[in-house]
Amino acid sequence: GQQLNQSPQSMFIQEGEDVSMNCTSSSIFNTWLWYKQDPGEGPVLLIALYKAGELTSNGRLTAQFGITRKDSFLNISASIPSDVGIYFCAGQQSGTGNQFYFGTGTSLTVIP
Amino acid sequence: ETGVTQTPRHLVMGMTNKKSLKCEQHLGHNAMYWYKQSAKKPLELMFVYSLEERVENNSVPSRFSPECPNSSHLFLHLHTLQPEDSALYLCASSQEFGANYGYTFGSGTRLTVV
Repeated sequence: GQQLNQSPQSMFIQEGEDVSMNCTSSSIFNTWLWYKQDPGEGPVLLIALYKAGELTSNGRLTAQFGITRKDSFLNISASIPSDVGIYFCAGQQSGTGNQFYFGTGTSLTVIP
Repeated sequence: ETGVTQTPRHLVMGMTNKKSLKCEQHLGHNAMYWYKQSAKKPLELMFVYSLEERVENNSVPSRFSPECPNSSHLFLHLHTLQPEDSALYLCASSQEFGANYGYTFGSGTRLTVV
């Protein structure tokens, strides 16, 4: 299967700081998704991206579809304790009929 | 209830036991998935059902056996598991197989094989 590399693997930040993470692949994807997984729960969809260069926000979260179509980025502004969790990227290689491939996740810890 | 519901939330089983995981979705979706989540690894797709027909044939050991009796229910039957099968098993659904707006996940079953 396709491999998606997420960076960094883990982050420890102070409350109020901004966060940046990314996801890269050796293959081109047509759709990028970002999920968040709280401890003991399943992943929840945060943002979906469908076009190269697209920038989409969801509250304090902003994600971008890389122009090479091989990467995506997620930023969180003014972090708060409830941002703690694991953030996953997922990529799909065509519009329909194909599975999503998931990254290994970025674990975020916010120190109050 | 809404969304995707998985039961049980936690399961401890011996290597000779037989158990089943259950997933139910109340979203009217036509596709359902089983994923395995192990520490430090990407989510691994195990099985996919679309309109109750299995559509993906990933290499999963035969000690895992899926069943999809209707489009709202999905089971994962387990027998003679190994300790390395301990993981979080996630069920997900989507409107149709391969839809590009992603999946809705359940909360998972934390499985420990002893």
